[in-house]
Amino acid sequence: AQKITQTQPGMFVQEKEAVTLDCTYDTSDPSYGLFWYKQPSSGEMIFLIYQGSYDQQNATEGRYSLNFQKARKSANLVISASQLGDSAMYFCAMRENNNAGNMLTFGGGTRLMVKP
Amino acid sequence: GAGVSQTPSNKVTEKGKYVELRCDPISGHTALYWYRQSLGQGPEFLIYFQGTGAADDSGLPNDRFFAVRPEGSVSTLKIQRTERGDSAVYLCASSLTGLSGAGYTFGSGTRLTVV
Repeated sequence: AQKITQTQPGMFVQEKEAVTLDCTYDTSDPSYGLFWYKQPSSGEMIFLIYQGSYDQQNATEGRYSLNFQKARKSANLVISASQLGDSAMYFCAMRENNNAGNMLTFGGGTRLMVKP
Repeated sequence: GAGVSQTPSNKVTEKGKYVELRCDPISGHTALYWYRQSLGQGPEFLIYFQGTGAADDSGLPNDRFFAVRPEGSVSTLKIQRTERGDSAVYLCASSLTGLSGAGYTFGSGTRLTVV
């Protein structure tokens, strides 16, 4: 089974509007972390936001917020007031803390295109 | 340096040749990771170093792939007898401890093309 699933291969959003990028995950580890990264065409993975499995509140970082629904195992990224520079690939990732390697497992990504 | 540096940024090699990809992590970061990103996909884990030792190499696809980090800083990913299927972007990431909530800092990657 896929550990991280991003069901939207591509999304369009109008500039200045909000957009939600979906992410569902699968783990039996009670302690884990969820991450979102942005990958522009230059290729670098840029860290956006982190949510720990025991965090009581949804994470927020500027225009980014994470809609964490633990029972549904979903961790959707919400970008408010979209900007043209937000056009990029977005990856959801998970770290299972019982894994000695602490590596990230990534989803397949969503390509976001912001229209002027 | 200020970020994770990967060299070369692009590498074209002939099938069957040997290649080395270098990663220079952020100074003081003890954890170092290699990932491979095929076109249109998310990165896939290859190997994780904690200090000088490979703590987890379960993601290496076969014995043609090997990585070292002899002094606990710079790491080299080595691929022997390259195949066209090895073509991908190879990403390196480092973190302070491996359990950081702030994420991992990635380099810009090495785009490997095997012709």
